[in-house]
Amino acid sequence: AQSVTQLDSQVPVFEEAPVELRCNYSSSVSVYLFWYVQYPNQGLQLLLKYLSGSTLVKGINGFEAEFNKSQTSFHLRKPSVHISDTAEYFCAVRTIQGAQKLVFGQGTRLTINP
Amino acid sequence: SAVISQKPSRDICQRGTSLTIQCQVDSQVTMMFWYRQQPGQSLTLIATANQGSEATYESGFVIDKFPISRPNLTFSTLTVSNMSPEDSSIYLCSASTGAGNYGYTFGSGTRLTVV
Repeated sequence: AQSVTQLDSQVPVFEEAPVELRCNYSSSVSVYLFWYVQYPNQGLQLLLKYLSGSTLVKGINGFEAEFNKSQTSFHLRKPSVHISDTAEYFCAVRTIQGAQKLVFGQGTRLTINP
Repeated sequence: SAVISQKPSRDICQRGTSLTIQCQVDSQVTMMFWYRQQPGQSLTLIATANQGSEATYESGFVIDKFPISRPNLTFSTLTVSNMSPEDSSIYLCSASTGAGNYGYTFGSGTRLTVV
């Protein structure tokens, strides 16, 4: 079975500072990787996904993530955050073969302070 | 990408009653999923709903408590039966979309409070 660990439950940063949200996964088979954002009282919105190819993936709102197979990580980064980035961020995986269901990490609450 | 309309957006229900949540997708999708998000927690998959077959439930979730219907490729319902306060959560539906089904769209969620 797959599992996802988001290493930080909360990350406070100042506006315009860089941020990294960490995600590690465990799987005995190859996986696809996703990052989602959830704004208060809203559903989930896809930030980016890694399917294959370049390990550096660029997403919406200036976010990017790097897939590291040897370290089984998929950390999310943004060079300069904005107040509007305050939200809950979820890392998720699914296997390439078999069931299409997503398995989510515990989430990281990103709080941007002025 | 596909858009999912989920309703109701929120409800307050009496214990012992049932609530049916509906999700309508604006295009045909092969697989739909139902998740529960308890307060301050991550998303936990309840079941996978395929059109024309019974839903596949995850460990800890049973059909009697969470019956699911999937009558066609654009619609699904989840019923939360015989509710107790422990069922107070956000319930979200999702659909796998896009070429190869590598995209996932989510509804906006149903915030359920059981009193």
